[in-house]
Amino acid sequence: AQSVTQLDSHVSVSEGTPVLLRCNYSSSYSPSLFWYVQHPNKGLQLLLKYTSAATLVKGINGFEAEFKKSETSFHLTKPSAHMSDAAEYFCVVSALNYGGATNKLIFGTGTLLAVQP
Amino acid sequence: EPEVTQTPSHQVTQMGQEVILRCVPISNHLYFYWYRQILGQKVEFLVSFYNNEISEKSEIFDDQFSVERPDGSNFTLKIRSTKLEDSAMYFCASRGQFFQETQYFGPGTRLLVL
Repeated sequence: AQSVTQLDSHVSVSEGTPVLLRCNYSSSYSPSLFWYVQHPNKGLQLLLKYTSAATLVKGINGFEAEFKKSETSFHLTKPSAHMSDAAEYFCVVSALNYGGATNKLIFGTGTLLAVQP
Repeated sequence: EPEVTQTPSHQVTQMGQEVILRCVPISNHLYFYWYRQILGQKVEFLVSFYNNEISEKSEIFDDQFSVERPDGSNFTLKIRSTKLEDSAMYFCASRGQFFQETQYFGPGTRLLVL
């Protein structure tokens, strides 16, 4: 079965400093991995996705993530945090259903990013 | 840019009442999903729907839940007799026909059962 573990429930950074949100995955095959962001009282927005092409994936708003098979990790980074980055971030893996193509998403527990001025 | 919409944004209901949550997926999408997020917990898969039938459902999706695509544009989630523990944010999502396509989420419906 597929799963993701987000190692930090809360991360606080200062504006202009780097962001690192950690995620480890478990999968018996090459997974599809995603990062979604949820701003307060908003829906879930896709930041980026990995689907077995380039291991370094660039997303929106300057975020990127690197797929590392040897470490089973898919950490999210951004060189310089902005106040508007304050939100909850979810690492997500897509589950295969061999009986069809459901690919339901399995979410991590989320990391709440706070950005201090 | 096309987006998934959901109505209502908030719903308050009494325990035991029926509720219907509505979603309009992106128009050319073929796969539809409902997820829920209980306050303080992670987002959980409820059900997926393709070709007018359920393709997969979780153990949460019991006989009290049903989904329907009544008119080719709307996608609904019905809870027949709500319980206190059904209080959650419910997200609808849709994706196109290819396996690795992104699921796009709606803004959610916050359901409160009293």
